[in-house]
Amino acid sequence: DSGVTQTPKHLITATGQRVTLRCSPRSGDLSVYWYQQSLDQGLQFLIQYYNGEERAKGNILERFSAQQFPDLHSELNLSSLELGDSALYFCASSERFEAYEQYFGPGTRLTVT
Amino acid sequence: LAKTTQPISMDSYEGQEVNITCSHNNIATNDYITWYQQFPSQGPRFIIQGYKTKVTNEVASLFIPADRKSSTLSLPRVSLSDTAVYYCLVGDGNTGKLIFGQGTTLQVKP
Repeated sequence: DSGVTQTPKHLITATGQRVTLRCSPRSGDLSVYWYQQSLDQGLQFLIQYYNGEERAKGNILERFSAQQFPDLHSELNLSSLELGDSALYFCASSERFEAYEQYFGPGTRLTVT
Repeated sequence: LAKTTQPISMDSYEGQEVNITCSHNNIATNDYITWYQQFPSQGPRFIIQGYKTKVTNEVASLFIPADRKSSTLSLPRVSLSDTAVYYCLVGDGNTGKLIFGQGTTLQVKP
């Protein structure tokens, strides 16, 4: 158990819909990262927050947005969903903002039908 | 943008040493290079990190040459439970984006 929690575990929704994925980092970790993993694209970095501020942006689509709240939990919002958004979405956390030792959650499996 | 290259797959036998190399160019000069292990349907798990030369912990060693254009993860005496996908993770030198390698599937045979 990494100490990072993600909800929900599974999500099935239709094209065009909007969903919110939630992540609680390990106690004491200030940095939160979001990743997307699909069979054809591998592990793709989406975005990083550090203590509530956006730190780095990866291949995050404009239809996607994220934020980190004062209690350090984070949410990833996916809107106007397309079939190609079906993937595993991982959240990770670390103590510092550098890309050092990250602890990954169990992931949310999103299926868009 | 930084680019990473790893072998797609490797086979080994129990008890052997396994070395997996990741080539990476244009990485951030001040960032560590980290390696992760992933089992099916689980999140990646941190193995080891290094900046340069050699780092060793209880499960692996990491070798990084002075030019930092590659890194080699060394797993001593692998067992069946080491069968997994192994990823390198680097930071892009210009944008700060984090980039995972495409992953190396290690199959350990008895």
